[in-house]
Amino acid sequence: KNEVEQSPQNLTAQEGEFITINCSYSVGISALHWLQQHPGGGIVSLFMLSSGKKKHGRLIATINIQEKHSSLHITASHPRDSAVYICAVPGGGADGLTFGKGTHLIIQP
Amino acid sequence: DGGITQSPKYLFRKEGQNVTLSCEQNLNHDAMYWYRQDPGQGLRLIYYSQIVNDFQKGDIAEGYSVSREKKESFPLTVTSAQKNPTAFYLCASSAGPSSYNEQFFGPGTRLTVL
Repeated sequence: KNEVEQSPQNLTAQEGEFITINCSYSVGISALHWLQQHPGGGIVSLFMLSSGKKKHGRLIATINIQEKHSSLHITASHPRDSAVYICAVPGGGADGLTFGKGTHLIIQP
Repeated sequence: DGGITQSPKYLFRKEGQNVTLSCEQNLNHDAMYWYRQDPGQGLRLIYYSQIVNDFQKGDIAEGYSVSREKKESFPLTVTSAQKNPTAFYLCASSAGPSSYNEQFFGPGTRLTVL
């Protein structure tokens, strides 16, 4: 079973700061998912990536398959980016995802 | 508008009662999943189904049951055998296995057992 570790668990930053959230996993994978969970509980898929880098607006995700590590970056952070960011990988054996515990991000104005 | 619906958003039940959580998708996805979220923990997989009339146990299936009689529907029953049923339940779907496909999530059902 894949183990997923995220850091930091909690992050408070000022508006405009560059944010980095890290994710490491224990078993090789085909793709890694970054998800965003808002206070109401709804989850949105941000990225699914298997190599290199992807960018959507101010969000950038990178992955290093050899090192079993991924990062999520937010440029020019804004209070509306405040949410829980979750890294997830295929569970291995069974279908479905194995999730990290999430990074609770607060961006202060 | 394509998506996943879960109902109800909040559900209260007395201890010892079975309760069924609804999950419907109109994305024409083959695969569907149920996850449970507890405070301070990552989401955990309860059951998944890769195709109609077939489903498999996830990591924490004890005390739960599912059915997949239609492609668009994957209801979850929380039985009285589930020791700690109070949690946030999320349903998801994907076009195929999670190794290669993005997952789409419903808004969740918050179950409280009194």
